[in-house]
Amino acid sequence: TQLLEQSPQFLSIQEGENLTVYCNSSSVFSSLQWYRQEPGEGPVLLVTVVTGGEVKKLKRLTFQFGDARKDSSLHITAAQPGDTGLYLCAGTTTDSWGKLQFGAGTQVVVTP
Amino acid sequence: GAVVSQHPSWVICKSGTSVKIECRSLDFQATTMFWYRQFPKQSLMLMATSNEGSKATYEQGVEKDKFLINHASLTLSTLTVTSAHPEDSSFYICSAGGTSGTRDTQYFGPGTRLTVL
Repeated sequence: TQLLEQSPQFLSIQEGENLTVYCNSSSVFSSLQWYRQEPGEGPVLLVTVVTGGEVKKLKRLTFQFGDARKDSSLHITAAQPGDTGLYLCAGTTTDSWGKLQFGAGTQVVVTP
Repeated sequence: GAVVSQHPSWVICKSGTSVKIECRSLDFQATTMFWYRQFPKQSLMLMATSNEGSKATYEQGVEKDKFLINHASLTLSTLTVTSAHPEDSSFYICSAGGTSGTRDTQYFGPGTRLTVL
């Protein structure tokens, strides 16, 4: 059983549409990260959130950390083909000694 | 941002041989590095935590005698897959703990594709 549940597992949308990826857990996280990974490459850090209720924006990407620090979401506005990739959420709990717990990932495909 | 490199980026070896993968933090010192394995269309699975100057801590189910980890300096950790078999074929990724942002932030290497024939 994974500590972090990501949904949906797969998302295929047209260019210009919006999308949201969710990351949920029953555990409280001291911090949570979102990564994007392309085939054959390592994950690239997009954002780190640490404060409950925190909202961070990175161009067309908006990240939210739940008030209770148990869930997070990634929203992409006006998706572009370059947003295609595997989106991973990962978090650390207070007793995980810095180890990241990864969600299963959401494969996003944006078609022109 | 922090840069982590891996070498080689891909390797093909015969069954029974050993393969060494290097992970380097290029512009920061990392007291802790992590090794992950990723199978196709799956997420990253933590194999072990590597601490500079001490023995690595392995996750449950990971054979420490098969996956030898050495963290000899603050910028280099190595993973050696001993007596490799086809089932060890996978994408191996390392990460290093960063000092910017929170202490929990990890920066990932580009990965090493291992194929065992």
